[in-house]
Amino acid sequence: GQNIDQPTEMTATEGAIVQINCTYQTSGFNGLFWYQQHAGEAPTFLSYNVLDGLEEKGRFSSFLSRSKGYSYLLLKELQMKDSASYLCAVILNDYKLSFGAGTTVTVRA
Amino acid sequence: GAVVSQHPSRVICKSGTSVKIECRSLDFQATTMFWYRQFPKKSLMLMATSNEGSKATYEQGVEKDKFLINHASLTLSTLTVTSAHPEDSSFYICSARGEKDYEQYFGPGTRLTVT
Repeated sequence: GQNIDQPTEMTATEGAIVQINCTYQTSGFNGLFWYQQHAGEAPTFLSYNVLDGLEEKGRFSSFLSRSKGYSYLLLKELQMKDSASYLCAVILNDYKLSFGAGTTVTVRA
Repeated sequence: GAVVSQHPSRVICKSGTSVKIECRSLDFQATTMFWYRQFPKKSLMLMATSNEGSKATYEQGVEKDKFLINHASLTLSTLTVTSAHPEDSSFYICSARGEKDYEQYFGPGTRLTVT
């Protein structure tokens, strides 16, 4: 089976930075996604990493180390609207996605 | 671009009835669509992979006779929950694979409640 681990919950203050870690052990690897999901809604794409290193996109950055089976999502200048669940997902063979359980981020004023 | 729709967004049905959920790629052709289910505060679990013109591939533990999948065209896949029971109540989400290998676009989801 696939094993993708991320923390269950994180809380941070508006304007602060939060880093969500994801470790994975999977039977295949063709890249890693980070998604944002608000309650009752479908996931929305945040980032994609397939090579080692940091991908920066505005307030959000994602890092990947394939040798360590490790990724993180960095959220900067947190806003109240960033309160959501953040999902780490590994692309397996045949383009299937295997999701972590998700990290619920709560941003407080 | 790359919009995926699902219909209905919310459905309530009685135990024993069947429910059909449609997933459409509105502005691109999707040779592969995926069906997921998500329980409250849990992550997405892949149910099956749907390829246009061929039989769906189901994940281990998913009953193919209960969750019928049809992918009749490059823009439409349907999931039918047959003889629904309260334990089938869940959030069902489809996704469609785009032109680039890694792209996968999600529909808005369907909330199914079986009473």
